[in-house]
Amino acid sequence: EADIYQTPRYLVIGTGKKITLECSQTMGHDKMYWYQQDPGMELHLIHYSYGVNSTEKGDLSSESTVSRIRTEHFPLTLESARPSHTSQYLCASSGGPEETQYFGPGTRLLVL
Amino acid sequence: AQSVAQPEDQVNVAEGNPLTVKCTYSVSGNPYLFWYVQYPNRGLQFLLKYITGDNLVKGSYGFEAEFNKSQTSFHLKKPSALVSDSALYFCAVRDSFGYNKLIFGAGTRLAVHP
Repeated sequence: EADIYQTPRYLVIGTGKKITLECSQTMGHDKMYWYQQDPGMELHLIHYSYGVNSTEKGDLSSESTVSRIRTEHFPLTLESARPSHTSQYLCASSGGPEETQYFGPGTRLLVL
Repeated sequence: AQSVAQPEDQVNVAEGNPLTVKCTYSVSGNPYLFWYVQYPNRGLQFLLKYITGDNLVKGSYGFEAEFNKSQTSFHLKKPSALVSDSALYFCAVRDSFGYNKLIFGAGTRLAVHP
């Protein structure tokens, strides 16, 4: 079944640790996105990719980085986590003529 | 510049009553409009979209939305609300020029009371 997967779903980690949030999709989409969302609040686009080896920063400045080596995989990395990184991170992909975006279940990150 | 406004932070409605969640937009050219729903601790689920054609769009879970070009609005509606409809609803817009970034509204929390 075509879907978008994110792991881990929840992560509690100490300050200074390096973390990678995984996102993969079996939708066959070229375009993928990362959003940051504080619980119950608005979404902020932090990274997007139009295809393999293509990555761009979004509207909200973020200390995270992304890579797109394979079409189906779009991981997000924080080299040194800080409490200010505590948030929910949502991955999405889009395709079709209207480029409707479909979202993964999210990763809730807590940095102590 | 593209923008989306959801003027109500929260909408309260009794179960069985009709509900409306409001959305207005600003975009260059023809808009592509979307509604998403988010349940607690979950990602966003796509509900429906307007690209072109009939102004009344039907989507998942009995929801529909009406596109009004003159009022630049795309309000989400449902004839009879369920308690299980209680969630956070996001309206989103992008232009039709192939620029794929969606602009999301701030969200409206819908509370349906028994």
